[in-house]
Amino acid sequence: GAVVSQHPSRVICKSGTSVKIECRSLDFQATTMFWYRQFPKQSLMLMATSNEGSKATYEQGVEKDKFLINHASLTLSTLTVTSAHPEDSSFYICSARKGPNTEAFFGQGTRLTVV
Amino acid sequence: GQQLNQSPQSMFIQEGEDVSMNCTSSSIFNTWLWYKQDPGEGPVLLIALYKAGELTSNGRLTAQFGITRKDSFLNISASIPSDVGIYFCAGRWGNDMRFGAGTRLTVKP
Repeated sequence: GAVVSQHPSRVICKSGTSVKIECRSLDFQATTMFWYRQFPKQSLMLMATSNEGSKATYEQGVEKDKFLINHASLTLSTLTVTSAHPEDSSFYICSARKGPNTEAFFGQGTRLTVV
Repeated sequence: GQQLNQSPQSMFIQEGEDVSMNCTSSSIFNTWLWYKQDPGEGPVLLIALYKAGELTSNGRLTAQFGITRKDSFLNISASIPSDVGIYFCAGRWGNDMRFGAGTRLTVKP
């Protein structure tokens, strides 16, 4: 099966700092990667879709200047939470897929706590 | 984006019992997916359904793609403690995928 690795699994940062989360497809090339946010006891909310080599497409209500997404290669996408605030604390999950109309595989998630 | 209606929200069952959960939508999807999420982990794909009316099994799990393409169900037979977790349905149309709110399953030994 396809393996998607997300790093770090947990991070604590101070308010005002920036945090970078990496999402890697380990055994396949991912033309598209997705970033989700999940609040406790809630479902996954899509934040943005990124295609390799192009700008990410953000969902309505997601600030692109706050959540910077880079998809520079077919195996790596990064999400940077800039000027983090406590309300940004959440579980962030990425997924990656090989191509259109194929299923996406999820990373293990990153628990971000902003203090 | 539109959320799917997933029910029940939670279930508390005894080990050995069967479980059934379902998802409905006002929109048509061409793919239905069922995921399981353990605490602190990302979702893991259990079953993918691609054709209206399709019934697919994966061990003790069985899922069906509704004929109207607006619903799907997942059954778990003879539950065991490791079935504990949150089960999410997802409907996909092309590049657009939406998730249900999840069913939290607790299995008592």
